Amino acid sequence: EPEVTQTPSHQVTQMGQEVILRCVPISNHLYFYWYRQILGQKVEFLVSFYNNEISEKSEIFDDQFSVERPDGSNFTLKIRSTKLEDSAMYFCASREQGPGEQYFGPGTRLTVT
Amino acid sequence: GESVGLHLPTLSVQEGDNSIINCAYSNSASDYFIWYKQESGKGPQFIIDIRSNMDKRQGQRVTVLLNKTVKHLSLQIAATQPGDSAVYFCAEKGETGANSKLTFGKGITLSVRP
Repeated sequence: EPEVTQTPSHQVTQMGQEVILRCVPISNHLYFYWYRQILGQKVEFLVSFYNNEISEKSEIFDDQFSVERPDGSNFTLKIRSTKLEDSAMYFCASREQGPGEQYFGPGTRLTVT
Repeated sequence: GESVGLHLPTLSVQEGDNSIINCAYSNSASDYFIWYKQESGKGPQFIIDIRSNMDKRQGQRVTVLLNKTVKHLSLQIAATQPGDSAVYFCAEKGETGANSKLTFGKGITLSVRP
């Protein structure tokens, strides 16, 4: 069964450093998402991406965040200057054209020290 | 503001019993609802969904009920098994177009006693 994959599984970085979280969505999917989950809290929407542009973003997704689909398979989330409060699980999700469920990846645990 | 929330933070059930997990939502414009299961160290896993033009939908051992009058969503798990132990989230989606983000409620932990 096809699945969304994410790398790395765990990223430790120092405050102020840039990080790039990588995702490979399911191959025939057209809509891509990033969510985050701070430990013990609910999953929060960050950004949606379709047709090579951002469809919607939340208040969390400020100028320090950016997304990119550099090729036909990868979907990345970049945080330019990490803050302590960016520590969380980051989930990538994708879905195919039309209505339907979003498939989530296993997540990347980001720890900012 | 709109919100999706769960009534109880934890639920403990005996193996073999039925489980009922409840969720309240406040956005009456929501037209699509989903239940996700999240096991430790993993991403949310789709369980079952329901559209607002339905009030009940059944899957394998799971049933979702939607009461639009009181804006209430529930997940019923029949014959709960140890493998059902996880955190369960309800989520809603406002429309089926490009603006299709999911708004999650707070998770509820289901613990199955052997």
